[in-house]
Amino acid sequence: NAGVTQTPKFQVLKTGQSMTLQCAQDMNHEYMSWYRQDPGMGLRLIHYSVGAGITDQGEVPNGYNVSRSTTEDFPLRLLSAAPSQTSVYFCASRLSGSSTDTQYFGPGTRLTVL
Amino acid sequence: RKEVEQDPGPFNVPEGATVAFNCTYSNSASQSFFWYRQDCRKEPKLLMSVYSSGNEDGRFTAQLNRASQYISLLIRDSKLSDSATYLCVTPRDTGRRALTFGSGTRLQVQP
Repeated sequence: NAGVTQTPKFQVLKTGQSMTLQCAQDMNHEYMSWYRQDPGMGLRLIHYSVGAGITDQGEVPNGYNVSRSTTEDFPLRLLSAAPSQTSVYFCASRLSGSSTDTQYFGPGTRLTVL
Repeated sequence: RKEVEQDPGPFNVPEGATVAFNCTYSNSASQSFFWYRQDCRKEPKLLMSVYSSGNEDGRFTAQLNRASQYISLLIRDSKLSDSATYLCVTPRDTGRRALTFGSGTRLQVQP
C-alpha cells in the first residue's frame, strides 16, 4: 500500500490564483481530513469527509472547497489564493470504527502565496 | 481558551534524562487522547493512545488525569532520536472523525 499520497510537494502561487491540492489513499478508509499547519502551531482542521459524497467544514474552512466523489480521493481547492493561506497542508485518513483511532497522514504540501 | 494547550518548549535535555510534558484540555467530555510525534518538516505519526488512566510503551508513559483535565507524556532514558515535536491530540467529536491538535512541545535531546 502507498498509504496517503499528496501532490504537489511544493507549490508557489500568486495572490488570486486558484489551484487544487490532491490527496489519495489506497487503504479503503472512509474518513478523510485536510489540516493546515502554520509555523509554531498545531494542525487546524479545514474540511473533512466521512465517505463519498459527504463533506463537512472544520475549524478554518473559509477560502477552501472540497468534494469527495470516490472513497480514494479528497482534493482541496483554493478558490482565490491569499498570502494568509501560506502554510503546510496535510491530508489524513482513518478507517471508521477502528479501535486504534490511528489517523494516517500524507507527507504534506508546502504552499507559498506571494 | 484553546481546546488543547501545551507548553511549546523547547525542552533541552541530555541523553539519558527523563523528561515529562503536560497537556491540558478544556472539554471535560473528551474520552480519548493521543500523543503524536512530528519530526521537522514531516507529517505527524501516532506515538501513543490514552483511553483510561494511562498507557505505557517501552520508555514512554502517558497518563490521564480527568479530575484536573490534563494528560502527561513521560520519556525515560532519552535518546537523540527522540528529538521532535510532540503533539497532544483529542478527537474533535464523539464520532472520532477528525482531530483537534495542541500546538506541540519541542524536545531537543543533546549528546
